[in-house]
Amino acid sequence: GDSVTQMEGPVTLSEEAFLTINCTYTATGYPSLFWYVQYPGEGLQLLLKATKADDKGSNKGFEATYRKETTSFHLEKGSVQVSDSAVYFCALGREYTGFQKLVFGTGTRLLVSP
Amino acid sequence: DVKVTQSSRYLVKRTGEKVFLECVQDMDHENMFWYRQDPGLGLRLIYFSYDVKMKEKGDIPEGYSVSREKKERFSLILESASTNQTSMYLCASRAGGASTDTQYFGPGTRLTVL
Repeated sequence: GDSVTQMEGPVTLSEEAFLTINCTYTATGYPSLFWYVQYPGEGLQLLLKATKADDKGSNKGFEATYRKETTSFHLEKGSVQVSDSAVYFCALGREYTGFQKLVFGTGTRLLVSP
Repeated sequence: DVKVTQSSRYLVKRTGEKVFLECVQDMDHENMFWYRQDPGLGLRLIYFSYDVKMKEKGDIPEGYSVSREKKERFSLILESASTNQTSMYLCASRAGGASTDTQYFGPGTRLTVL
């Protein structure tokens, strides 16, 4: 079945450092891929998505490229801020008639210090 | 903005109690979902509903049931709460049909079963 594997955290960085959070998936066909972010005390928010191979999703300085050849969707940001401290979830989405199912990775906590 | 609200942020119940978790969305979405979030396991789908009175089991439905009598409301029911149901519960909603639609999450209910 479908599955998503994320790097374990926490990832600890200083402000303005470069961020990479690795995500790989196992799936047949062409699922959609997502990154969700969960700030402390809140629910999940969609950060970015890509619906087909070679698509690049981007938002708020974060970006990720759908790589079918390596089954990966790594999240990157060139310069992190303290306000980026959160838990990041990679997810794979399947579309069925009338609904969507998401499969999530285990989440990666990012801690950014001033 | 889509708003998904959950009836409680924190809930403490005793083993054997019947527990109701309520979720309401204000965007006329067809799809609604219940997940539980546990450290190291990410989010796992309990049940979902693709329309009023329609429900489908997710990956971990045992010990839970759901009710969707109205389009905007989706309830998760723990018939007889047990300590292993202590978790964070997240509700989500999504418009049906188009593959570009995203799932919108509520803030979560942290349930403790003593």
